[in-house]
Amino acid sequence: ELKVEQNPLFLSMQEGKNYTIYCNYSTTSDRLYWYRQDPGKSLESLFVLLSNGAVKQEGRLMASLDTKARLSTLHITAAVHDLSATYFCAVGGYGGSQGNLIFGKGTKLSVKP
Amino acid sequence: GAGVSQSPRYKVAKRGQDVALRCDPISGHVSLFWYQQALGQGPEFLTYFQNEAQLDKSGLPSDRFFAERPEGSVSTLKIQRTQQEDSAVYLCASSLARIRLPGGDTEAFFGQGTRLTVV
Repeated sequence: ELKVEQNPLFLSMQEGKNYTIYCNYSTTSDRLYWYRQDPGKSLESLFVLLSNGAVKQEGRLMASLDTKARLSTLHITAAVHDLSATYFCAVGGYGGSQGNLIFGKGTKLSVKP
Repeated sequence: GAGVSQSPRYKVAKRGQDVALRCDPISGHVSLFWYQQALGQGPEFLTYFQNEAQLDKSGLPSDRFFAERPEGSVSTLKIQRTQQEDSAVYLCASSLARIRLPGGDTEAFFGQGTRLTVV
């Protein structure tokens, strides 16, 4: 059974600081997604990572994937208040439905001035 | 609109009542998914359609939950005899991909969700 674990679940950071959110998953997969969710809103796709060693960057966020370690990271550089949200990683189900994404519990990020 | 549209946005149901939640996927998207998101949790997979075929319903929590997509576009998630534990946000997502090619992007786009409260 594919399980996805994120840590930390809660993160309070000051503006201008750097931090990393970790996403571990339990079985082989070749697809990993990062989503952002604002309170009361839907999920906004941030990154799609499809291969070992993939690295993608958008603004202050950078995501990477290590399929051998079954680990993805979301690095936040010089955080700003606008980044406050809940961040989810999701891993594609393997060997079954190609559409099934298994989500982590999410990391609630709060960036304070 | 260009995105995934869900209706209603909010639904309050009395325990025991049946409800129907609608999802309009992005035009042309082959794949459609339903997820359930409890408060403070990540979305949990319910079911998946490829066109009108329901290929995976392993996440449906009980036989009170039923989903259909008869013409391969709009989908309806029906919950019969609602119970308090059914209270959650129900998210629909769609994806263009039919077959996942190596290195292919199968990004799923999510709707705003329907917040169901069973009282």
